[in-house]
Amino acid sequence: DAKTTQPPSMDCAEGRAANLPCNHSTISGNEYVYWYRQIHSQGPQYIIHGLKNNETNEMASLIITEDRKSSTLILPHATLRDTAVYYCIESGGYNKLIFGAGTRLAVHP
Amino acid sequence: SAVISQKPSRDICQRGTSLTIQCQVDSQVTMMFWYRQQPGQSLTLIATANQGSEATYESGFVIDKFPISRPNLTFSTLTVSNMSPEDSSIYLCSVGGTEDYGYTFGSGTRLTVV
Repeated sequence: DAKTTQPPSMDCAEGRAANLPCNHSTISGNEYVYWYRQIHSQGPQYIIHGLKNNETNEMASLIITEDRKSSTLILPHATLRDTAVYYCIESGGYNKLIFGAGTRLAVHP
Repeated sequence: SAVISQKPSRDICQRGTSLTIQCQVDSQVTMMFWYRQQPGQSLTLIATANQGSEATYESGFVIDKFPISRPNLTFSTLTVSNMSPEDSSIYLCSVGGTEDYGYTFGSGTRLTVV
């Protein structure tokens, strides 16, 4: 079973930052936090991952709390094309990914 | 990141028949994974395909129903056997990532069993 907890749905206005929370209170020391998204009818798309430090790439920023029990994915300027289901997953390096229900993000004009 | 080609992209099959789905990767990868996504649901891991050995199946999935082949480090197949309408799903393959990039997924095979 998935070990992360995410809100089932969120809304965001276009152009604003979307902050998607995730709880992973049982994460182990060698497990990464991965974020993926799935736009309707497509395969999941990798967004970002991190171990301890905050990470940023061209798509998003990942903020991980100091105790590593939760994290937040930030889409700095959401667009309509960011409407998707977002999955937060904890996994130990090259282990399998177990998906939870994810957060359905709706970006509206 | 690796590029995955998955075939077929969709198919409509008669119940009782079998369908083999192919997953081709543009680079050698150690680990390949097969997932099922039922309508309106999240992804469920079926098995891990290991090169040179039998696949490792998750709870609820068995080799007789979902036989997997992994003949080399760039290719794998998943067969859905003796299909019923309950097997109607999207089937996806995935390959493991690197330190700098996460796992990559194919575009999926949308299967409808009638």
